[in-house]
Amino acid sequence: DSGVTQTPKHLITATGQRVTLRCSPRSGDLSVYWYQQSLDQGLQFLIQYYNGEERAKGNILERFSAQQFPDLHSELNLSSLELGDSALYFCASSGGDVTGYTFGSGTRLTVV
Amino acid sequence: DQQVKQNSPSLSVQEGRISILNCDYTNSMFDYFLWYKKYPAEGPTFLISISSIKDKNEDGRFTVFLNKSAKHLSLHIVPSQPGDSAVYFCAAIPTQGNLIFGKGTKLSVKP
Repeated sequence: DSGVTQTPKHLITATGQRVTLRCSPRSGDLSVYWYQQSLDQGLQFLIQYYNGEERAKGNILERFSAQQFPDLHSELNLSSLELGDSALYFCASSGGDVTGYTFGSGTRLTVV
Repeated sequence: DQQVKQNSPSLSVQEGRISILNCDYTNSMFDYFLWYKKYPAEGPTFLISISSIKDKNEDGRFTVFLNKSAKHLSLHIVPSQPGDSAVYFCAAIPTQGNLIFGKGTKLSVKP
């Protein structure tokens, strides 16, 4: 157990729908990062939050949004889903150490 | 445009031999380079890192080498064990920014 909890582990939904992925960071970590791993692709950085504030944005589509709540858990909202959004979505947390990105086990999203 | 490239999707080695995983990068502004290991159904886990001001870092069976002039780094695993079979991601972090990953190399260590 890495200390980063992601729910749900698996999600199957239809095109056009909206889903919410949840992440609880490791205790004490203020930063949360979201990454997407599509088939045969590396992990693509989507967005980072630090202590409730958006800190950095990567290749995140406008249909996607995220937030970090006062208890530091984060949610990634994916809307108007397309087949190409099928991927593994990872959340990581960090306390500031460059080597301290701790990843959760991911949510596998399948859009049918 | 990929800033971190792992050109070998897979590598197979015999148990006890050396595994060498390679990674190339294009951005000279990276401060740290890292290797992550990923088993199926799990998230990536940190393995070893190297600062851009160093050329070697060793941790047990794992050694990372950095060649800045060639913009190349490699991970050596000696001796390789079947439990090392996993996908290995090379990653880099710039002065301002977040971890950028390569596409990964799947290592298979055969008994």
